[in-house]
Amino acid sequence: KNEVEQSPQNLTAQEGEFITINCSYSVGISALHWLQQHPGGGIVSLFMLSSGKKKHGRLIATINIQEKHSSLHITASHPRDSAVYICAVSRNSGYSTLTFGKGTMLLVSP
Amino acid sequence: ETGVTQSPTHLIKTRGQQVTLRCSSQSGHNTVSWYQQALGQGPQFIFQYYREEENGRGNFPPRFSGLQFPNYSSELNVNALELDDSALYLCASSLGTGTDTQYFGPGTRLTVL
Repeated sequence: KNEVEQSPQNLTAQEGEFITINCSYSVGISALHWLQQHPGGGIVSLFMLSSGKKKHGRLIATINIQEKHSSLHITASHPRDSAVYICAVSRNSGYSTLTFGKGTMLLVSP
Repeated sequence: ETGVTQSPTHLIKTRGQQVTLRCSSQSGHNTVSWYQQALGQGPQFIFQYYREEENGRGNFPPRFSGLQFPNYSSELNVNALELDDSALYLCASSLGTGTDTQYFGPGTRLTVL
């Protein structure tokens, strides 16, 4: 079993829909990250959070430390949101590195 | 744009060859992490360099090695290439080794034939 699990693996939506991507983890963490990867490979950090909720534009990320679960929400989705969304956790054991989920491929149609 | 650059963008090698990938970190960042991303998978941690020393390593064999230079740029070297080494190789820079946001480069796509 992977230490970081994401669902769903693939997601299709119509423009304007509300989208939720879920992430569960099984290890102790110091922070959880949501990242976006576009075709071609470049990864952009969207959020880093260790508690509560963060919002940036149409994106909202929440984390429940007790349940070891996080969600990424996209409101009023747009075709330019189409990308792979990856959940990753930091485990600070002498050094901080990221353990990644497999990602969720999102396709938003006009 | 993160300010992290990688070269080359794409590379094709044959089994048994050696390859060197390069990464220039964001200005002021003293920590570089390297990741391997196979097709359809999330990135896997290879190793991390902090101030020119290897600071941590994932589950990769010794034929994966690295260097970090005084200007904090970094190299990933892979010897005796295998077909399974075909992947996107990502480097990420950060300031320090704590729980900091990592800034990713665009990656190098390596194909081993």
